[in-house]
Amino acid sequence: NAGVTQTPKFQVLKTGQSMTLQCAQDMNHEYMSWYRQDPGMGLRLIHYSVGAGITDQGEVPNGYNVSRSTTEDFPLRLLSAAPSQTSVYFCASSYRPASQRSPLHFGNGTRLTVT
Amino acid sequence: SQQGEEDPQALSIQEGENATMNCSYKTSINNLQWYRQNSGRGLVHLILIRSNEREKHSGRLRVTLDTSKKSSSLLITASRAADTASYFCATDGGTGTASKLTFGTGTRLQVTL
Repeated sequence: NAGVTQTPKFQVLKTGQSMTLQCAQDMNHEYMSWYRQDPGMGLRLIHYSVGAGITDQGEVPNGYNVSRSTTEDFPLRLLSAAPSQTSVYFCASSYRPASQRSPLHFGNGTRLTVT
Repeated sequence: SQQGEEDPQALSIQEGENATMNCSYKTSINNLQWYRQNSGRGLVHLILIRSNEREKHSGRLRVTLDTSKKSSSLLITASRAADTASYFCATDGGTGTASKLTFGTGTRLQVTL
């Protein structure tokens, strides 16, 4: 099993550019989510999905879009990159939502720098 | 805002000693989880404790939960250099926010030989 796969590992963007961070899981997990990790801030939830075709906003959704057309994939789109979006992005998945005692499985992250 | 806050922010101990990290949270929960993050990697799930449990063990890990104080602690016994990592608590926020797992800011643990 590959688990949760994120691509690319590193990315440098100029302000105003757009890009898509890819996330795929092969565990048939219904729940997927995106977090960003900044120094001293821990992980903050950007968007999440409880199944194909269903997405919802997390704590810091502005500037990001998501879609969930398949169970396996959950891409994160940056519409117009800003320096404030410089961060490490983690995709995570679980069999069930958090309240049902289902632990998250994380990818190894995408380190994004916006200049 | 962060649901969980870990204390201390950083902890340095020698191999063989015990390490204790604390987590406080703000709202009711269904369960609380602890994760480990090695440098440059994603988080790895360590242990989950339900809101009706007070203590749970897994190998060298011991987790306690006090819902009246909205706090939890993670104890790593007989620490090893390989335990060097950041540790995060995460909570589900209780009823109505069942799909969101909110993380604290983490404790950086350094275990020296």
